[in-house]
Amino acid sequence: KNEVEQSPQNLTAQEGEFITINCSYSVGISALHWLQQHPGGGIVSLFMLSSGKKKHGRLIATINIQEKHSSLHITASHPRDSAVYICAVYSGGGADGLTFGKGTHLIIQP
Amino acid sequence: DTAVSQTPKYLVTQMGNDKSIKCEQNLGHDTMYWYKQDSKKFLKIMFSYNNKELIINETVPNRFSPKSPDKAHLNLHINSLELGDSAVYFCASSQDPTRTRGGTDTQYFGPGTRLTVL
Repeated sequence: KNEVEQSPQNLTAQEGEFITINCSYSVGISALHWLQQHPGGGIVSLFMLSSGKKKHGRLIATINIQEKHSSLHITASHPRDSAVYICAVYSGGGADGLTFGKGTHLIIQP
Repeated sequence: DTAVSQTPKYLVTQMGNDKSIKCEQNLGHDTMYWYKQDSKKFLKIMFSYNNKELIINETVPNRFSPKSPDKAHLNLHINSLELGDSAVYFCASSQDPTRTRGGTDTQYFGPGTRLTVL
């Protein structure tokens, strides 16, 4: 079973700062997801990646398969980025399917 | 139009009751899922359902059963509710036709149903 660790668990930053959230996993994977859960509870899928790097607006996700590590970056952070960011990995087989990290609670202060 | 919808949004019920949560997706996706998010905000997949194939997380009690009347719907039935069932339940869907239980395809989540068992 894959173990997924996210860091930091909590992060408070000032508006405009560059944000990095990390995700490490223990077993080789086929795909990694980054999800965003808004304060109201809604969940949005941000990225699904299996190699390299993806960019969407101010969000950038990278993955290093050899090091079993992924990062989510937010450039020019804004208070509306305040949310919980969740990493999930898929390593194939088994009944569990996706394995989720515990999330990183991000607060961006104006 | 909402892509993935769930009803009800809130559900408060007594221990021992049987309840259902409905989920509908209008994205034409092949696979639907149910997730449970506990009080510590930890997400865990419960079921995935694809082309009439049900894949069950072995840790889910058999009091929980998904029912799919058609490809656009996956309802969650819960029998004999227990206090520990209190959580937020999310439905999701993806195009994923390859039985990877959503592992390799973008998932679209519903707004969640907050279940409180008293």
